[in-house]
Amino acid sequence: GAVVSQHPSRVICKSGTSVKIECRSLDFQATTMFWYRQFPKQSLMLMATSNEGSKATYEQGVEKDKFLINHASLTLSTLTVTSAHPEDSSFYICSARDQDWDEQFFGPGTRLTVL
Amino acid sequence: AQSVTQLDSHVSVSEGTPVLLRCNYSSSYSPSLFWYVQHPNKGLQLLLKYTSAATLVKGINGFEAEFKKSETSFHLTKPSAHMSDAAEYFCVVNPGFQKLVFGTGTRLLVSP
Repeated sequence: GAVVSQHPSRVICKSGTSVKIECRSLDFQATTMFWYRQFPKQSLMLMATSNEGSKATYEQGVEKDKFLINHASLTLSTLTVTSAHPEDSSFYICSARDQDWDEQFFGPGTRLTVL
Repeated sequence: AQSVTQLDSHVSVSEGTPVLLRCNYSSSYSPSLFWYVQHPNKGLQLLLKYTSAATLVKGINGFEAEFKKSETSFHLTKPSAHMSDAAEYFCVVNPGFQKLVFGTGTRLLVSP
């Protein structure tokens, strides 16, 4: 299957700082990428849908000014957690949709810890 | 709204015995359903998907699932568990617009 990478895999930051997470589709082009959040021992919750060249679509309850999403190319989407607080600590997972296969491929996730 | 319910948060089996992970869905029409597996520190991997073709879907690693409309179920099974099957399993429904809605997950524990 297709490969999706995320960077960094783990990040620890101080409260009030901003953190950027990258999601890349390595061997296919993805016009649509998705960002999920997973709390410990819980399921994945969709945060937003990232469309190449246009604004992201956020799910209800997700602050767009807090979680900035940029999808500048067909292989890269970034999620920036602005002014992070301890409650933002979570596991962030991205996926990329391969149109040829009509399937979402998931990245390995980024564990964010805000002190 | 479409949703899935995974009835068991944990399932424990012995190596070589059958696996059954239960999932029920809620949908006003015939949904697309998936099972994903999540191993620690690895990305989610698609095991199988149902898209209204055959009701019995065969996936990777010997897993299969049967779509039963009368029971609104999509249970995941495997005849013989392997130690490497220990992981978190998610039943997922596609409510449209390319989105995926995840169940709460079932952790499969496999003992020697």
